[in-house]
Amino acid sequence: DAKTTQPPSMDCAEGRAANLPCNHSTISGNEYVYWYRQIHSQGPQYIIHGLKNNETNEMASLIITEDRKSSTLILPHATLRDTAVYYCIVRGPPGSARQLTFGSGTQLTVLP
Amino acid sequence: NAGVTQTPKFQVLKTGQSMTLQCAQDMNHNSMYWYRQDPGMGLRLIYYSASEGTTDKGEVPNGYNVSRLNKREFSLRLESAAPSQTSVYFCASRQTSGTGHSGNTIYFGEGSWLTVV
Repeated sequence: DAKTTQPPSMDCAEGRAANLPCNHSTISGNEYVYWYRQIHSQGPQYIIHGLKNNETNEMASLIITEDRKSSTLILPHATLRDTAVYYCIVRGPPGSARQLTFGSGTQLTVLP
Repeated sequence: NAGVTQTPKFQVLKTGQSMTLQCAQDMNHNSMYWYRQDPGMGLRLIYYSASEGTTDKGEVPNGYNVSRLNKREFSLRLESAAPSQTSVYFCASRQTSGTGHSGNTIYFGEGSWLTVV
């Protein structure tokens, strides 16, 4: 699986958009980008995933660059409950049995 | 729908003692995982089971054994606990068929806090 690089921490004002970057310059053609988050003391929670097109769901939007070497997770209107560690993971297609590897992630703190 | 259930939630062990962390999922998932998370660190994979009857080592398997008892249950055993195994342990499961959201989402248990003194 491709390695990912994320900033260790970010702050965001409540109600503003939170933009969390992830670099994955060694991503291969069939690898997807996945985002999970972990709220303190809880198990990680799936947010969104994508291959090359931008994706949006009820939680967030995922913007993947044309060369697929980086992506940005966007929380459009951050709330205090969005304070969490956000993990960007690159791995094989959905349905693959391969293991998921989590890095250190980005600690997002939403400020009142 | 309980999802992924881990027991116990908290445990204190003395060095050298053994114990088993139990995990069960009721979503009929094929794959199950055990992770550990040390303070301020990301999750590290200990062992995983791609399907009933198979297990494989992850990043940090030393000091642990696992058993995929059936499709629902995946246990993690510490044969001789060491202070370095003090951590939060997460069990997870995932369906490994299908290409949409259901074929990808990994579901985690609430964690088991283990302290070895």
